[in-house]
Amino acid sequence: AQKITQTQPGMFVQEKEAVTLDCTYDTSDPSYGLFWYKQPSSGEMIFLIYQGSYDQQNATEGRYSLNFQKARKSANLVISTSQLGDSAMYFCAMREAETGYSTLTFGKGTMLLVSP
Amino acid sequence: NAGVTQTPKFQVLKTGQSMTLQCAQDMNHNSMYWYRQDPGMGLRLIYYSASEGTTDKGEVPNGYNVSRLNKREFSLRLESAAPSQTSVYFCASRRTGISNQPQHFGDGTRLSIL
Repeated sequence: AQKITQTQPGMFVQEKEAVTLDCTYDTSDPSYGLFWYKQPSSGEMIFLIYQGSYDQQNATEGRYSLNFQKARKSANLVISTSQLGDSAMYFCAMREAETGYSTLTFGKGTMLLVSP
Repeated sequence: NAGVTQTPKFQVLKTGQSMTLQCAQDMNHNSMYWYRQDPGMGLRLIYYSASEGTTDKGEVPNGYNVSRLNKREFSLRLESAAPSQTSVYFCASRRTGISNQPQHFGDGTRLSIL
């Protein structure tokens, strides 16, 4: 079974609209962390936001927020007010304590295209 | 700030050749990682080093070796390159001890095996 599932291969959104990128995860570890990374066409991996399994509130970083639903094992990334520069591949990743020292398991990614 | 530096950025090899991908970080991080990224597959962990002097296998270690030369440097070696190893390789590092610390990535090495 996949540990990280990103069901949307591609998403389209108009500039200034909000968009939600889905991520579900599978773990039996009570202590885990969820990360979102952005990969623009230039190829680098850019860290966006982190949510810990024990965090009481949903994480926010500027225009990025994480809709964390622990019982449903989902950690969806919400981008408010999309910009053209948000066009990129987005990866959800999970760190479990059991898989080794702080290693990450990545989903397959969602390609986001923002149109004018 | 240099962060994580990978060399080379691009490389073409013939099947059976060997090469070493270099990675260095200047953030005084304890842990370092090597991933490969293939189309439609996301990033998959090849090897990691929790601290200087230790290395461990990840999800896809076959055909690779690593060396944690010192705290700054973590190299990935292909002893006998195969076309299946054509990929983009990323090195990453992380400050340990604080759970919310992300992995910081280099810009990647595009490797083609003919």
